[in-house]
Amino acid sequence: GDSVTQMEGPVTLSEEAFLTINCTYTATGYPSLFWYVQYPGEGLQLLLKATKADDKGSNKGFEATYRKETTSFHLEKGSVQVSDSAVYFCALSPPNTDKLIFGTGTRLQVFP
Amino acid sequence: DGGITQSPKYLFRKEGQNVTLSCEQNLNHDAMYWYRQDPGQGLRLIYYSQIVNDFQKGDIAEGYSVSREKKESFPLTVTSAQKNPTAFYLCASSMTGGAYEQYFGPGTRLTVT
Repeated sequence: GDSVTQMEGPVTLSEEAFLTINCTYTATGYPSLFWYVQYPGEGLQLLLKATKADDKGSNKGFEATYRKETTSFHLEKGSVQVSDSAVYFCALSPPNTDKLIFGTGTRLQVFP
Repeated sequence: DGGITQSPKYLFRKEGQNVTLSCEQNLNHDAMYWYRQDPGQGLRLIYYSQIVNDFQKGDIAEGYSVSREKKESFPLTVTSAQKNPTAFYLCASSMTGGAYEQYFGPGTRLTVT
C-alpha cells in the first residue's frame, strides 16, 4: 500500500544553519504531497504542498520539490530560526481520495 | 474566525468507561477526520466522513465509534473496547474532491488509568 518514509529525528541545528529533512514515498499513480508542521501541544498546520511532478511548494522560507523519478519530497530551508523548532510531517494524498497518509514525523530542534 | 475546535484539551477517565471527544468546525467543509497520534508513530486515521450521515472506518477503527448528524460536528467516542486509549486525538476537516488542505484542531489529550 501507499506509504511515506521520513528521516528519523531529532534533527539538531544551530540558528542560521541549512535544513534538510528527507521524505520518500511509495504510491500508485501521482499522489499529491504535503508538509505539515506541529508546534508543541498543538494541532498540525499545512506548511506547503505540491500536486504534480516537478512542482515546488514554498512557504515561510521552506521549500520542497516533487521528484517523481526519485519518489521524494525533501524539505529544505536556507537559514533556520529558533522559532522553527517543531515536528515536521510529510504526507501524501493518493489520487481521487481525500485521505492523507502521514510519515512518522521528524523533530527539529534549533538552538541559538 | 473560521476554524476547528476540540474540547476538552485534556481528559482523564478510568478504565472501562466510554468517553466522547468533541469536534466542531465552522469552515463549511464536507469532510471530517479523526486521527490518533502516539509518540514515534505519526498520525493514524480512525474514522472519516465525507458527508452528513455517512462515515467510513480508517486504519484503526476498532474500539471507536463516530456519528455525523450535522455538517459542523463529528464527535468521537472511545469505548471500553479500545485496548490502549491513552493518546493525543486530532480532528481535521477539508473540502472534498481533490488534494485539499486538511485543517486541524488543537487536539485532545486523553489519559485513561
